[in-house]
Amino acid sequence: SSELTQDPAVSVALGQTVRITCQGDSLRNYYASWYQQNPGQAPVLVIYGKNNRPSGIPDRFSGSSSGNTASLTITGAQAEDEADYYCNSRDSSGNHWLFGGGTKLTVL
Amino acid sequence: QLQLQESGPGLVKPSETLSLTCTVSGGSISSVSYFWAWIRQPPGKGLEWIGTIYYSGSSYYNSSLEGRVTISADTSKNQFSLKLSSVTAADTAVYYCARQEIGGRDNWFDPWGQGTLVTVSS
Repeated sequence: SSELTQDPAVSVALGQTVRITCQGDSLRNYYASWYQQNPGQAPVLVIYGKNNRPSGIPDRFSGSSSGNTASLTITGAQAEDEADYYCNSRDSSGNHWLFGGGTKLTVL
Repeated sequence: QLQLQESGPGLVKPSETLSLTCTVSGGSISSVSYFWAWIRQPPGKGLEWIGTIYYSGSSYYNSSLEGRVTISADTSKNQFSLKLSSVTAADTAVYYCARQEIGGRDNWFDPWGQGTLVTVSS
C-alpha cells in the first residue's frame, strides 16, 4: 500500500520513555525519517536513516525499524518534546514520498 | 548554513494558478548530492509531499496532484519554483520548500523553509 499510518495521539509522563510508531509496506524496503513540529513552526528533522540524529538533536531521540514498522523513541521525555511528530519514507514505487498522518505527543 | 525562503502571493483566486518560489542561500541547488522539494500542510492537518526536483530538471510529483503541478529550477538564481494550476479551497495550506537527500534506503528533508500560507479564496 502507499500509506504510512501513525497513532493520532500519544502521551507520556515527564521523564518516562515513549515510542511513536509508523506502519507501512514501504518501510520493509526504506528507512523512515522523523520530524518534530511545534505549533506555527516548520518541521525539524530529528531522525534519519537507520538511526541518525542531525547535529543539535538530543540523544534521547532514537529510531528503529522492524518489518513494516518504524519507531521513534524518546528516552526520558522532556516538556519541550511536546509536539507533533511525522514519519516520512518513499512509497513502494520508489519515486514518490509519503508522510504519516502525524502523532500529537503530550508530556504529562 | 543553508537557508531556504519561500515567496509568492498569499492569496490566490479559485481556478487560477498558485506560483511560489524558494530561494536557497548558503549552498547551491546545482549540487549533485541533493534534491529540492515542496511540501504543504493544510490548516490543522498533516504534511503532504507535493513534488521533488533535481537541478538537472528531473522531477517527481504526487500522483494526486499530477497534471496540475509543475516544479522547475533556475540554477542561475539558485531558486526552484512551484506552480499549481486550477486551485480550489482544498489547496489552501502552508507551503514549505526543503532540501531532500535521497540514497539507497534513505530519504530525508532538511532543512526546511519557514513556510508561507497560501489561501485560495475569491
